[in-house]
Amino acid sequence: NAGVTQTPKFQVLKTGQSMTLQCAQDMNHNSMYWYRQDPGMGLRLIYYSASEGTTDKGEVPNGYNVSRLNKREFSLRLESAAPSQTSVYFCASSEAPGANYGYTFGSGTRLTVV
Amino acid sequence: DQQVKQNSPSLSVQEGRISILNCDYTNSMFDYFLWYKKYPAEGPTFLISISSIKDKNEDGRFTVFLNKSAKHLSLHIVPSQPGDSAVYFCAASEIDGNQFYFGTGTSLTVIP
Repeated sequence: NAGVTQTPKFQVLKTGQSMTLQCAQDMNHNSMYWYRQDPGMGLRLIYYSASEGTTDKGEVPNGYNVSRLNKREFSLRLESAAPSQTSVYFCASSEAPGANYGYTFGSGTRLTVV
Repeated sequence: DQQVKQNSPSLSVQEGRISILNCDYTNSMFDYFLWYKKYPAEGPTFLISISSIKDKNEDGRFTVFLNKSAKHLSLHIVPSQPGDSAVYFCAASEIDGNQFYFGTGTSLTVIP
């Protein structure tokens, strides 16, 4: 039972390079989320997808794009990486949007932009 | 501005004693709260929740208290065990909201 799987686990990028972080869940959840974790800032929402076919901005969407490829997969793309995007990225899923449904998180992607 | 705050970045407690982790929030519309636990190199895992219709919720050694008038919640761990050493995040949401807002985390160390 994998839960939420994120790839890659680690990545180093040069400034200006692009990359896509992949996320897949096998729990038949409707909603998926991308968060970033920075020291002293906690977890901040980048984008979310309440259901297949929809995406919405969170608190810190600038510099990112997302694609809800299907019900299982939700990818996060950095078109032109910047050092400020050095962070740990977590994907999460929930049965539905709304407070009654807690999140299941992946193990994270540690991204360094040099 | 941070809507959910955990003002203590770290806490050390002796094994067997009580650990108390605190969380404050500013949005009076929040009415559902969660605590997550995170080990290094892992994602956060759900620990315990409470809704605004309650002021206390217990699950084994873990109890969460909510004081809505003070916009404050706390997590009590009794007795604390070395395996409880982790970073604890509180999170809050409106009941019909689309996202949880997370605090900055408190790193708990339980000393054997």
